[in-house]
Amino acid sequence: AQKITQTQPGMFVQEKEAVTLDCTYDTSDPSYGLFWYKQPSSGEMIFLIYQGSYDQQNATEGRYSLNFQKARKSANLVISASQLGDSAMYFCAMREGPSSASKIIFGSGTRLSIRP
Amino acid sequence: NAGVTQTPKFQVLKTGQSMTLQCAQDMNHEYMSWYRQDPGMGLRLIHYSVGAGITDQGEVPNGYNVSRSTTEDFPLRLLSAAPSQTSVYFCASSPLLLRMQETQYFGPGTRLLVL
Repeated sequence: AQKITQTQPGMFVQEKEAVTLDCTYDTSDPSYGLFWYKQPSSGEMIFLIYQGSYDQQNATEGRYSLNFQKARKSANLVISASQLGDSAMYFCAMREGPSSASKIIFGSGTRLSIRP
Repeated sequence: NAGVTQTPKFQVLKTGQSMTLQCAQDMNHEYMSWYRQDPGMGLRLIHYSVGAGITDQGEVPNGYNVSRSTTEDFPLRLLSAAPSQTSVYFCASSPLLLRMQETQYFGPGTRLLVL
């Protein structure tokens, strides 16, 4: 069965520093996708970045990049040059299977707090 | 486009009452899902659907029923509310494609308090 683990309940980072949020996963399906979402205090879910299991390169989206280590089953989110607005909950999620017809499950999240 | 809409935004129920949380999307998405988020925790999948007439259970389906009679609507029904169902409920949708990278679009959430 698919499983997502985020072991950092909370993190404090100084503004302008880079931060890495950990995510490990477990699946027996060779085809899967990994997502990261941001949830600010307002509550909405914001999609950040996606990595497919067959993607040859690590995904990047602006200041967000994904450190994908397939053999270790980890998909850590890296935020470069953190900003005060990055303070939020961050969730890692996974979808199994070859299409978007399968369910997405989430990890328990990491609360990131950026210090000025 | 309104995207994914959820009603009500906030609801208080007494134990044993029933209610339906409404979810609608205007993007013609085949895939829809319901999650609950307890304080300080992640989202747990309750039920999902890949099209009208097709539903399946997620991680925590007990105490909840769903139906999908149209592409647009995916209501979540609580038959007999319990305090353990106090949570924030999110509905989400996505197109059904042969592409894994389709993210879900989330509604704003419904905050439910069961006394």
